[in-house]
Amino acid sequence: DAGVTQSPTHLIKTRGQQVTLRCSPISGHKSVSWYQQVLGQGPQFIFQYYEKEERGRGNFPDRFSARQFPNYSSELNVNALLLGDSALYLCASSLAMGSSYEQYFGPGTRLTVT
Amino acid sequence: GQSLEQPSEVTAVEGAIVQINCTYQTSGFYGLSWYQQHDGGAPTFLSYNGLDGLEETGRFSSFLSRSDSYGYLLLQELQMKDSASYFCAVRAYGGATNKLIFGTGTLLAVQP
Repeated sequence: DAGVTQSPTHLIKTRGQQVTLRCSPISGHKSVSWYQQVLGQGPQFIFQYYEKEERGRGNFPDRFSARQFPNYSSELNVNALLLGDSALYLCASSLAMGSSYEQYFGPGTRLTVT
Repeated sequence: GQSLEQPSEVTAVEGAIVQINCTYQTSGFYGLSWYQQHDGGAPTFLSYNGLDGLEETGRFSSFLSRSDSYGYLLLQELQMKDSASYFCAVRAYGGATNKLIFGTGTLLAVQP
């Protein structure tokens, strides 16, 4: 069975630009969460979506937005990129809200902002 | 606010037992998860404690004490492949929100 997939793998953007990251969850999983991981730190929670609705939001500015599609795939958008947005962006899926303690992570998208 | 504390680094030898502690401060606590992350890889789920007590999964065990806001991950019969970062994560809720909050991680180095 395919795991969580993310695209692109790597991305280089310039300050002020916008970026869209994509995630496909494991088949049958209805919840998708997004995390930002800076080198040497734990993943920081950005969003959780379940059944196409936002169910959780971390302490990130409004420049960060996301959505979930009917097929449960998801996109994370970041506007007006800053140097500090450079990080590994991880997507994770879980069966449902109640099982969100057990999340399956994708390989991540490495975003570099110059 | 919410915070989790773990030791930053732990070193042990092959075959030994190591315990990684995690203390947390959070509102709306559901339970405590543990994840392993190898360098350059994605975090992988190890275990979850929703209730007080010990959960055992092969060489790994995890413990939770809600009254002490404390948990630990116990790794037995250490192998070189266990060298990785280990994160505790709190499943927390607040109003209509649901989130998984990760600690800063413990880097485990297993030596021969």
